[in-house]
Amino acid sequence: DTAVSQTPKYLVTQMGNDKSIKCEQNLGHDTMYWYKQDSKKFLKIMFSYNNKELIINETVPNRFSPKSPDKAHLNLHINSLELGDSAVYFCASSQKNTGELFFGEGSRLTVL
Amino acid sequence: LAKTTQPISMDSYEGQEVNITCSHNNIATNDYITWYQQFPSQGPRFIIQGYKTKVTNEVASLFIPADRKSSTLSLPRVSLSDTAVYYCLVGETLGYSSASKIIFGSGTRLSIRP
Repeated sequence: DTAVSQTPKYLVTQMGNDKSIKCEQNLGHDTMYWYKQDSKKFLKIMFSYNNKELIINETVPNRFSPKSPDKAHLNLHINSLELGDSAVYFCASSQKNTGELFFGEGSRLTVL
Repeated sequence: LAKTTQPISMDSYEGQEVNITCSHNNIATNDYITWYQQFPSQGPRFIIQGYKTKVTNEVASLFIPADRKSSTLSLPRVSLSDTAVYYCLVGETLGYSSASKIIFGSGTRLSIRP
């Protein structure tokens, strides 16, 4: 019973393609996030959704579009992929105003 | 934003106590101190959070001096499985509105040897 699950775990694609990463949490949390971890291991927030509403959009190119069909899901769609998009993308969830983020196992995206 | 500074790496041996110190000179009054652990190919995992003095749970202890400009994560009797990257974060309690203020730095890579 994985609390925060992401698919796919690995994704290899060509520049210019469009791809999506899906995330689901079964913890009943009201807030979900997407983080990007680069090759230097810095983990930076990209988006945050609370009850399906976009709360945070941290200077991410508009090629990245999050979609939250319900509060248990937050998907990430990326258009026109670039080499610099190669990274590990982590989905996370939390209950509002708690100090604990629950992360998925990450999705490693490689753009060739 | 309260920036954190922690050692890039540390080595220790099984059975030892490991203390990882984090500096956060610009910590704000409303900021909490939170530590996460990350194993290779996994997402970070919450370890402990505190505001002042000492907090202890089944995994670790967190020591915070009165001025709160630093904090120390203490791992008692480490084992090989404690080899991971440890992140020190400073920010308001993670409500959705404050998540953008929480920055994961490069962390401390802890290596435990037999």
